[in-house]
Amino acid sequence: DAKTTQPPSMDCAEGRAANLPCNHSTISGNEYVYWYRQIHSQGPQYIIHGLKNNETNEMASLIITEDRKSSTLILPHATLRDTAVYYCIVRAGWDDKIIFGKGTRLHILP
Amino acid sequence: NAGVMQNPRHLVRRRGQEARLRCSPMKGHSHVYWYRQLPEEGLKFMVYLQKENIIDESGMPKERFSAEFPKEGPSILRIQQVVRGDSAAYFCASSRAPENQPQHFGDGTRLSIL
Repeated sequence: DAKTTQPPSMDCAEGRAANLPCNHSTISGNEYVYWYRQIHSQGPQYIIHGLKNNETNEMASLIITEDRKSSTLILPHATLRDTAVYYCIVRAGWDDKIIFGKGTRLHILP
Repeated sequence: NAGVMQNPRHLVRRRGQEARLRCSPMKGHSHVYWYRQLPEEGLKFMVYLQKENIIDESGMPKERFSAEFPKEGPSILRIQQVVRGDSAAYFCASSRAPENQPQHFGDGTRLSIL
């Protein structure tokens, strides 16, 4: 079973920041938080991952709370192409498999 | 910089036939993973392979399914005597070493069983 909890769906206006929350209250010290997204009919796309520090790349920012029990993925300026299912995943560094939950279906509204 | 390549993108088989799905990992990646996504469901891990070795096949059905990753050439997921319930999207991912490395996915093979 997935070790994360995400809202099933969210809406965001085009051009605004999309903030996707994730709860992982049972996360262990050696587990990372990963985010992927799946745009309809495509394979999952890696977005970002982190251990305890906030991370930023060209796609998004990842904010992890100090107790590491929750995190937020931020898409700074959402576009229609960001419409997808977003998966928050907790995974130990040595884990081979990714366990996908149901994710959050993000709708970007024009 | 080619990503993970899967072929064919679509595959149609009749019940009882064999299906072969191919996956070429990203350049520099020696670890391959297969996942299955049934209609309207999430992705489920099937198997993890390194070159010439199966490392974890805990998600593979016990019968009719096999996977290989030979020294040369792509990884192959083979389904023998296909049944209607095998209809799904099959995704391959690759990574460098598994330790704290993201897996990068291909766009999948959509298998339809008539």
